[in-house]
Amino acid sequence: QSVLTQPPSVSAAPGQKVTISCPGSSSNIGNHYIAWYQQLPGTVPKLLIYDNNKRPSGIPDRFSGSKSGTSATLGITGLQTGDEADYYCATWDSSLNTYVFGTGTKVTVL
Amino acid sequence: QVQLLQSGSELKKPGASVKVSCKASGYTFTTYAMNWVRQAPGQGLEWMGWINTNTGNPTYGQGLTGRFVFSLDTSVSTAYLQISSLEPEDTAVYYCATAIVGSTHLDYWGQGTLVTVSS
Repeated sequence: QSVLTQPPSVSAAPGQKVTISCPGSSSNIGNHYIAWYQQLPGTVPKLLIYDNNKRPSGIPDRFSGSKSGTSATLGITGLQTGDEADYYCATWDSSLNTYVFGTGTKVTVL
Repeated sequence: QVQLLQSGSELKKPGASVKVSCKASGYTFTTYAMNWVRQAPGQGLEWMGWINTNTGNPTYGQGLTGRFVFSLDTSVSTAYLQISSLEPEDTAVYYCATAIVGSTHLDYWGQGTLVTVSS
């Protein structure tokens, strides 16, 4: 049972925008940088966003991250069929002394 | 470029042990800590813990029992995850992943090792 509960699924048509929420608390998101990972079907998770809003080299700017207080959000604009994947937020939790992943959100392109 | 090459899939009986390896290349091994993450079939990601590649000191995630051991062989830039007294519930894909100590993101991931525990 993760302390970061994401919506199980979000969907939108190609070219549209989706956002994925990741609510947390002061022991995790509120006091630590957050990361987002993308896991395409049958593949290895890949770092998508780190330090709340930074993109590793090669990640298109269609992907964006933000954080406000104890909640974080991943945005995907210009949705493509290749974006269909599971997305996980993650951060350190000071109370649990554990790195925690969110429950994951499946993005479907209609 | 950074690469993490994990050992191949394993099929084990309950009660047996398994040792998964993760060989790093493309960087100085001690630059990054090595984390372990598991993913049960159809489930999400679960952080298992990490090992400091400079000191060899392991840190285990909450709920991880003494059946799990992280170790290193720095001479061959390899990290290991050993699981003893395997249970069917240990069936999962196990990933190694690098991180800068103190950061909150896992930069590079191995390809994963499927461990299946079945009688």
